[in-house]
Amino acid sequence: DIQMTQSPSSVSASVGDRVTITCRASQGISSWLAWYQQKPGKAPKVLIYAASSLQSGVPSRFSGSGSGTDFTLTISSLQPEDFATYYCQQANSFPYTFGQGTKLEIK
Amino acid sequence: QLQLQESGPGLVKPSETLSLTCTVSGASISSSSYYWGWIRQPPGKGLEWIGIINYSGSTYYNPSLKSPVTISIDTSKNQFSLRLSSVTAADTSVYYCARRGPGRWFDPWGQGTLVTVSS
Repeated sequence: DIQMTQSPSSVSASVGDRVTITCRASQGISSWLAWYQQKPGKAPKVLIYAASSLQSGVPSRFSGSGSGTDFTLTISSLQPEDFATYYCQQANSFPYTFGQGTKLEIK
Repeated sequence: QLQLQESGPGLVKPSETLSLTCTVSGASISSSSYYWGWIRQPPGKGLEWIGIINYSGSTYYNPSLKSPVTISIDTSKNQFSLRLSSVTAADTSVYYCARRGPGRWFDPWGQGTLVTVSS
């Protein structure tokens, strides 16, 4: 199985800050990577697919980059509604696997 | 607008079978462009992919699951289902159904349903 490792596991930040979350795959996955946002008690919602494509309706302050084994999710200017947990997911090969999550908290 | 809704028992006894159904509305489950999948999340933990199925019944499962898994599809009802056999407490999770697009990401998701395995 491909292991997905996110860092950090948690981060504290303030409204207006720029935040970057990284995701590393244990082997190359080309650009088969998606990023999800999950708020408490809610289902995950896709933000980024194919490593860098913004899902329709997602604010442009979210961006993704990377290919191969190293990927990043960047939020350019944090808004109050962005405080949530973020997961990466590889879809290069079965079984699909998720990172362990990064909890973004208010400082 | 495409919506998915999970349904099934919220409590299952150990060693019994967990059965859930996902009802799809707003689109046909028979589209050849998509797969339909199950993902679970133990309370307070991360996401685990269970498996996917397409309109013709082609399936892919996560071999890491300790409980045997079967996913089936009923195109006449626009539903797909999950069966997990011989469950243990470790199978206690929120279970989500979701559509997998051609780009292999999951969107949208159902709201999720908590299944507790306990005697």
